Formats: sequence, structure tokens, C-alpha cells
Amino acid sequence: QKEVEQNSGPLSVPEGAIASLNCTYSDRGSQSFFWYRQYSGKSPELIMSIYSNGDKEDGRFTAQLNKASQYVSLLIRDSQPSDSATYLCAVNTNAGKSTFGDGTTLTVKP
Amino acid sequence: GAVVSQHPSRVICKSGTSVKIECRSLDFQATTMFWYRQFPKKSLMLMATSNEGSKATYEQGVEKDKFLINHASLTLSTLTVTSAHPEDSSFYICSARDGATRNDNFGPGTRLTVL
Repeated sequence: QKEVEQNSGPLSVPEGAIASLNCTYSDRGSQSFFWYRQYSGKSPELIMSIYSNGDKEDGRFTAQLNKASQYVSLLIRDSQPSDSATYLCAVNTNAGKSTFGDGTTLTVKP
Repeated sequence: GAVVSQHPSRVICKSGTSVKIECRSLDFQATTMFWYRQFPKKSLMLMATSNEGSKATYEQGVEKDKFLINHASLTLSTLTVTSAHPEDSSFYICSARDGATRNDNFGPGTRLTVL
């Protein structure tokens, strides 16, 4: 079992729809959770961080964390073609390295 | 805020030469920096964790003598690819951990091509 698992994708949604990206992790000691967006040929860009159970909203993005289920998700509302990218889930225990999932590629079709 | 720079952004070199890549945190102090490598359409692969003032911790399978890492200050880490070969051609990305926010901030990456 991988330490951080994401939907294998690719995920395709129409413009204006909600895109839902999921991630599960195996280390119960994990304390920090991140979502990054990576455009082709570019480095990852942090879009959301979440540390406690519940929802965290930032504009069109909502991160949801459930530590009991070891699950973290990212919702993108009103998806735009510019949201088309690979989304990486990352988890760390604060003191150590971040562990990344393999990423889910999202395509938003106009 | 939380800007990380990398230099150079792109380098082409001949087989057998060494290449140094710099990673700088511009507006925060980074006690820990990470070096990743990414091949086309593949996921990020952590190469090593670099702590200021101490030796880097390398991931399994990463050759310490080939990928030299130095973290001399709280804002600068360098990765030197020694005696580069075509199979070392890749996208090298650093990230710097901001102790205040716990966020890892990525540099823009360095695309290395070894001929």
C-alpha cells in the first residue's frame, strides 16, 4: 500500500462543474496536509494547506480533512479550463519530509 | 511572500561535466530544504532532505557522491550533479520549508539536459 494514494484519474469535468479530488494516507501520525497544483512543465504550486478536521475554504477551493478516516479531499467549484492540471496531495508529520501522492490529472472542458 | 528561486532554470551540458543548481528562499528562512527529481509525466521523486549546517539525508537509491548537497545558510542550498550522464537529464526541483507556516514552497525548477 502506498503511503499516500490519490484517484488514479484522469478526471474530466465540464466547465462550471465541481471537481472532486481525493487522497488517503496511511501514517496516523500525519499532522499537515497539502494540495499542490502542477501545470505541465512547471513546478508544483501550493494551493491549500489544512491541519485540523473539517473544511477549509479559500475562494473556489475547499479542502476537507477527516483524520479518523485518514482522508483528505479537494473540491474545486465552478471549474475553469485554467484549472486543468495535475493535483498533488502531500502529507507530513511536521518534523519530516512530505510524502506525495502520484497526482490526479484534471481536465476541465470548455 | 514565501518565494523560492532556483538557478539556473535550464542547463545543457556535455556528458562528464558537473552542474551546480542553487535554491534560495528569498523572504523567509528555511532550516530544511528538499531536492526532488521529476521525469516527464512521472511523479515527484524525493532525492534528499537538506538541513542547514548538517549533512543531507539521502533517499534510498540516491547516490550521495553523485548528487552533492550543501546547505550552508538558512536561505541557500545547492545540488551538484557530478560527472553528469544523459540518464541524469531530468527536471530538478527544490522546496524550502517555512518554519512559521509549515508550508513547503517549491522553486521553479531546473531542467537539466546532458548530451
